Amino acid sequence: EDQVTQSPEALRLQEGESSSLNCSYTVSGLRGLFWYRQDPGKGPEFLFTLYSAGEEKEKERLKATLTKKESFLHITAPKPEDSATYLCAVQPYGGATNKLIFGTGTLLAVQP
Amino acid sequence: EAQVTQNPRYLITVTGKKLTVTCSQNMNHEYMSWYRQDPGLGLRQIYYSMNVEVTDKGDVPEGYKVSRKEKRNFPLILESPSPNQTSLYFCASSAPGNTEAFFGQGTRLTVV
Repeated sequence: EDQVTQSPEALRLQEGESSSLNCSYTVSGLRGLFWYRQDPGKGPEFLFTLYSAGEEKEKERLKATLTKKESFLHITAPKPEDSATYLCAVQPYGGATNKLIFGTGTLLAVQP
Repeated sequence: EAQVTQNPRYLITVTGKKLTVTCSQNMNHEYMSWYRQDPGLGLRQIYYSMNVEVTDKGDVPEGYKVSRKEKRNFPLILESPSPNQTSLYFCASSAPGNTEAFFGQGTRLTVV
């Protein structure tokens, strides 16, 4: 069964304290792995797509990496505005095209 | 501006009273889907549509209906809502392939 597990469930950082969020996945075949950011009361907002092991993508203070079993979202020198829930999702081969299987997210709080 | 629009944003209703949540996208996307988000369970797919007049069940379809008569619209229908359908609902759209999904701002539904 296709499955996505994110850890930790919640993370509290001081401003400037770098850290990483983990997304481990089990999927029969991976078409793509997606990272989204979700602010309270809003819909998920797209951050990155990764397609193959070894791939990396960066955006401001965020960097996403991918291996055959997991993905990491590295946050460098975070600011309070980076506080949000970060969601990981996989898109498997086969079945419904474009279907996303989500993890339960990591709630990140960055304190000034 | 590219967007997915859901209405209403908030809805409180009583058990058994039929309701419809509307979803409209302006990106000419073929693929649309509905998710519900519950604490500890993450986002789970309810129904999806590959194109006009083509719909299919997702992972949690019981108690829901959908239709896709026009490419831009994908309403979610609850014929006889029950309290276990109290949840936060999101509509999403995407182009074919492993492309990013765009999410609406969400509809918080409470069934009493």
